[in-house]
Amino acid sequence: DAKTTQPPSMDCAEGRAANLPCNHSTISGNEYVYWYRQIHSQGPQYIIHGLKNNETNEMASLIITEDRKSSTLVLPHATLRDTAVYYCIVGHWAGNMLTFGGGTRLMVKP
Amino acid sequence: GEEVAQTPKHLVRGEGQKAKLYCAPIKGHSYVFWYQQVLKNEFKFLISFQNENVFDETGMPKERFSAKCLPNSPCSLEIQATKLEDSAVYFCASSQLSRLAGRTDTQYFGPGTRLTVL
Repeated sequence: DAKTTQPPSMDCAEGRAANLPCNHSTISGNEYVYWYRQIHSQGPQYIIHGLKNNETNEMASLIITEDRKSSTLVLPHATLRDTAVYYCIVGHWAGNMLTFGGGTRLMVKP
Repeated sequence: GEEVAQTPKHLVRGEGQKAKLYCAPIKGHSYVFWYQQVLKNEFKFLISFQNENVFDETGMPKERFSAKCLPNSPCSLEIQATKLEDSAVYFCASSQLSRLAGRTDTQYFGPGTRLTVL
C-alpha cells in the first residue's frame, strides 16, 4: 500500500475551517484515500473516503488533486470536539488492512 | 449489532499469564481485523478474517499469539505467556464484503481493549 505524509500537528480556531493536508505521491490507480480520526484513546472513527472525485458528507469534505498525489480533509466549522489525531490512509478494497502513519494532531482552540 | 463490540475494556495480566480478548463485529460484516496500538499513534496490523477463515496473518507474531473467528461466536485474540511489550490497546474492526468490482467498504473500529502486562 502507498505511504502517506502528514504534518505532525496543526492548530485551528474554533468555528473556522480546518484544512488537513496529506501527500500520497505513490498512490496506485485502484487505491482509495481514507480519513479516520482518533479522539483521545477511543477507537479510530471513520470520516470519509474517495477515489478520484471530491466527496462530502455530514462530517467533512475530501478534496483530491487531479493527479491524486495529495488530498485535503476539510472540517468546515471546527469545534473543540474535533480535537483529535487525524489519519490519512490509502488502500484498496474491503479485505485489506489499513496502514496507519503518524497522523496529524489537530488542536482546536477557543 | 450496529457497532463493533470489544470485551473486556481493560485487562491486567502478570507476565507469563494468558490474555484473551473478544470482538463482536457489526452484524452482516464478513471481514474482521485486529490491530495493536502500542504508543499513542502507532498502529500495527495483526490479522484479518473473512468469515471464519484467516484472510491475512502477515502481522501476527508467530509465537504466543493466536486468533479465531468461529460461527455464531465472538472473534477472539489470545496471547499465551504475555510479555511486558504486549501492553497495548488492541482494536478490532469489521467491514462488509465488497459486492462490486472496484468498490471498497469501510472498516469500522471497536472501542478497544487496553491490555496491561505487569
